[in-house]
Amino acid sequence: AQTVTQSQPEMSVQEAETVTLSCTYDTSESDYYLFWYKQPPSRQMILVIRQEAYKQQNATENRFSVNFQKAAKSFSLKISDSQLGDAAMYFCAYSSETSGSRLTFGEGTQLTVNP
Amino acid sequence: SQTIHQWPATLVQPVGSPLSLECTVEGTSNPNLYWYRQAAGRGLQLLFYSVGIGQISSEVPQNLSASRPQDRQFILSSKKLLLSDSGFYLCAWSVRAGIFAEAFFGQGTRLTVV
Repeated sequence: AQTVTQSQPEMSVQEAETVTLSCTYDTSESDYYLFWYKQPPSRQMILVIRQEAYKQQNATENRFSVNFQKAAKSFSLKISDSQLGDAAMYFCAYSSETSGSRLTFGEGTQLTVNP
Repeated sequence: SQTIHQWPATLVQPVGSPLSLECTVEGTSNPNLYWYRQAAGRGLQLLFYSVGIGQISSEVPQNLSASRPQDRQFILSSKKLLLSDSGFYLCAWSVRAGIFAEAFFGQGTRLTVV
């Protein structure tokens, strides 16, 4: 079974600075997908970024980028120029074609942005 | 565009009472549908998923059941709630397996069993 581990329960960053959230996963599959979801206080789950395992290039979405290390099974999220609105719980998640898009989530990292 | 509706937003129920949470999706056909539960401050746990009408797979043995009476309707039920059923329940949908896409979530239901 696949597992996703987020070793940082809480992180904080100063507004306008950069922060990196860590995620590791365990799988025996070669084709899979990784995601970062954001859950603000409203508790709505919002997709931040996704990465296909077969792509070597790291995904980027504006101020959000990932460092995908397939051999190390690591998938970290970098948030640049942090904004107050980035404060949220961030979840790393795994899925694959064989799992029919069922997501396996990590336990989350609570990000605080300090003004 | 596709939208997902989930209700109610908040629910307080006594132990032993029945439960029915409903989720509907608009703007798409033949979606995969999912029910997740989130304990306070924790990640999401998949409870049920469905790839078609009447097709339900359970991930975790529990006091809950799910049904899919229509293509875009997914219902989470219980005959008798337990205190341990308290939590935040999220419905989600994705494009049918075979064409990968991310899951889109409803706004969730906060269930408190008292």
